[in-house]
This record gives sequence, structure tokens and C-alpha cells, in this order.
Amino acid sequence: AQSVTQLDSQVPVFEEAPVELRCNYSSSVSVYLFWYVQYPNQGLQLLLKYLSGSTLVKGINGFEAEFNKSQTSFHLRKPSVHISDTAEYFCAAGEWEGTDKLIFGTGTRLQVFP
Amino acid sequence: DTGVSQNPRHKITKRGQNVTFRCDPISEHNRLYWYRQTLGQGPEFLTYFQNEAQLEKSRLLSDRFSAERPKGSFSTLEIQRTEQGDSAMYLCASSSFEGGLETQYFGPGTRLLVL
Repeated sequence: AQSVTQLDSQVPVFEEAPVELRCNYSSSVSVYLFWYVQYPNQGLQLLLKYLSGSTLVKGINGFEAEFNKSQTSFHLRKPSVHISDTAEYFCAAGEWEGTDKLIFGTGTRLQVFP
Repeated sequence: DTGVSQNPRHKITKRGQNVTFRCDPISEHNRLYWYRQTLGQGPEFLTYFQNEAQLEKSRLLSDRFSAERPKGSFSTLEIQRTEQGDSAMYLCASSSFEGGLETQYFGPGTRLLVL
């Protein structure tokens, strides 16, 4: 992928409210996509991934994401967040016909308030 | 624990010193990646190995950086003559192919601070 954009650097939300974290990518070839979560002072943990097929992908911890080719988006959603979801979330893309490295967005800090 | 491990977890050094980080991938993962993450940014690709062969290096990897994976298992990343701009989190990932898709699994990272 040429680039991955996460427009929201921070998303504050109250506990049990729904949340959407936005991710857009740009690429001249087909891509595969990931969402990772990073808790403070830790590495990245895989939330979910999109390869092909169904555009709605379900991941761990109740998260899901929808791939939209026409809008080149892969937004992450959760219907009801918990305090423990407070973390940094990264969207990443790889190109099927490119090198094997991942291109990451700059991250979105999800802050869940009680 | 069968995840990716990295040592040390933290390193503070003075400018000009050399540092070496180690990454132990998930066993049987053939590919191993190094990324660098600076504050407020996403990880940036540095280099990767297929077994012991280093297949790609980013332009971010200056001549002061060298990575090895001598036996196709663990890897080391060395930074010579460290500079303050090298301060970052260095992440290692190993990958497997699942359902036709290569999936990278990350270690906890090594946080480097150059004074």
C-alpha cells in the first residue's frame, strides 16, 4: 500500500457507547488489511484481518471491521466499549503484488471514560 | 509462552555507544521483521528475513544499523554510534501463512533512549 491514513488521532467515548475508528488506504493494487491494538508499553496485538471474501470481518474482544473497496476504507467498530479497550489502535495494509512489509497508519488513541 | 520475545525491554545509552537488541520469533516462523516506532507514530518497516536471508532493507536503515539472523532462528539488530534520533521503540515480528494470508505477530518491543 502506498499509504494508510487514520484521520482521528484521538477518540474519546463513554463506556458502553459504540465506537468507530476510521482507516483509509491508498494503493494501485489489491491490498490485505489488519487492525492491531497496542496497550501502554507493549507490542502490537492482532485484532482482526481482511484477506478477501466477506467484507465484514470479526475479530477478538468484540471488534469488527468492514472493508469497502469503493471508498478504500477499513473502519473498525465495536457496539459497546469497555474501560479496558482504552489503547492505541493501528490500521495496517500490505499489497498482494508488492513487498511483504506492512504500512501502518499513525494510530488512533481510544480513550474510554466511565 | 510461545509468542515473540525481545530483549532487553528497555535500554538507555549515551550518544555514540553501540547497542544490540535480540528477537526470538515464534518457533517455525520463517519470516522475521524489524520495525521502528517513534512517539505518536505507527511502526515503520526496517528490514526482514526469510530464514537467514535478509531480503529487504528500508532506506531508514542507515549504515549504522545492521541486522542478522545467522541460523534462521533468533535475530539481532545492532545500532552503532547511536544518535539521539535513534530513540524509539524497536519492534520485532514473525509471521506465518494462515488461510493464504501472511500474518505478522509482534513482540513487546525494545524501548531505546539515547541521551
